[in-house]
Amino acid sequence: EAGVAQSPRYKIIEKRQSVAFWCNPISGHATLYWYQQILGQGPKLLIQFQNNGVVDDSQLPKDRFSAERLKGVDSTLKIQPAKLEDSAVYLCASSLTIRTGSYEQYFGPGTRLTVT
Amino acid sequence: GDSVTQMEGPVTLSEEAFLTINCTYTATGYPSLFWYVQYPGEGLQLLLKATKADDKGSNKGFEATYRKETTSFHLEKGSVQVSDSAVYFCALNTGNQFYFGTGTSLTVIP
Repeated sequence: EAGVAQSPRYKIIEKRQSVAFWCNPISGHATLYWYQQILGQGPKLLIQFQNNGVVDDSQLPKDRFSAERLKGVDSTLKIQPAKLEDSAVYLCASSLTIRTGSYEQYFGPGTRLTVT
Repeated sequence: GDSVTQMEGPVTLSEEAFLTINCTYTATGYPSLFWYVQYPGEGLQLLLKATKADDKGSNKGFEATYRKETTSFHLEKGSVQVSDSAVYFCALNTGNQFYFGTGTSLTVIP
């Protein structure tokens, strides 16, 4: 089966600019996650969707970050305006569902963002 | 709050050596525990998991046992290969939240 797809793979922007990342999860996976992984750290969960509803966004900096999953399939994560500290790899993951206890997440290759 | 503390690296071992990467956790309730691996240039992959106390997860020769009494989930492998060179992440899931450790880089030399 096809894995989690993300684009772009790399992005370089200047601070105060805007950027958007796209994720297409594995077909049939109801749950989608966005993580931020700063160099030398583990992934930090930003937001979790179940179908097209938000399950948890407690660690999403809502003043500049936004995410949507309008049709319950693919998702976009946006940063506006970007700051230097947003430089990181943004990972998308999906899983079948959280309700059945199937917590195995499948990760995409990530988008490496550099803010200059 | 909930968290994962992972052994710092980098770790360098000779081929066929024994591997242990320590992981301890802090959590309310009864979390599920995971080890993920990230090979160079690739995304994270689930290596093994355990969902309740005393469960042992295993895959590709790696093992980890969910120890509630010591709040630990140490990763072990009896004989590492060059192909095991990667970054290993311990993680826990509690409720809707997932927490990852900082990762341990392993290099296996021939």
